[in-house]
Amino acid sequence: KQEVTQIPAALSVPEGENLVLNCSFTDSAIYNLQWFRQDPGKGLTSLLLIQSSQREQTSGRLNASLDKSSGRSTLYIAASQPGDSATYLCAVRRYGGSQGNLIFGKGTKLSVKP
Amino acid sequence: EADIYQTPRYLVIGTGKKITLECSQTMGHDKMYWYQQDPGMELHLIHYSYGVNSTEKGDLSSESTVSRIRTEHFPLTLESARPSHTSQYLCASSARQDTGELFFGEGSRLTVL
Repeated sequence: KQEVTQIPAALSVPEGENLVLNCSFTDSAIYNLQWFRQDPGKGLTSLLLIQSSQREQTSGRLNASLDKSSGRSTLYIAASQPGDSATYLCAVRRYGGSQGNLIFGKGTKLSVKP
Repeated sequence: EADIYQTPRYLVIGTGKKITLECSQTMGHDKMYWYQQDPGMELHLIHYSYGVNSTEKGDLSSESTVSRIRTEHFPLTLESARPSHTSQYLCASSARQDTGELFFGEGSRLTVL
């Protein structure tokens, strides 16, 4: 059974710091991995999607890496800003099962202090 | 930018009432999904659809039902709401032939008294 774990559960950093959020999954047979951002009381905004054949994806100040063999993904945020404060979720899409069924982690709640 | 809309955003209702949560997308996506999220917990898939007249239950058992009469519309219905149905319901969609990226709506937060 695929399980997704995100550590830490919460993180508080001063503005300007570079930071790394971690995501681990137990079954390496994944189709892709997607990182999302969720603001309080809101839906999910897709940040980056990494296909199983890819090692990393970049968008602006965000860089996500994927190491399938070790069951890990990291989301790197450069030069953090208060507007980055949100909960960051990773989700893996497995082969088979309910098509499109993403298995989500519980998220890392990030707070960037001015 | 994703164009997927959910209404209502917030609903407080009494036990036993029938409710319908609306979800519409303007991207022409074939695949649509309903996820349930409790505070501080993971999202869980409760329903999905591959296209018109196609609906399936997800991994998390739910007393809700869905329908897909039109490509752009995927409403979720609870015939008789109970306090245990209090949760956030998130609708998502993805294109059939693409990377599999999911786009989510803003969510509907349901409170049953």
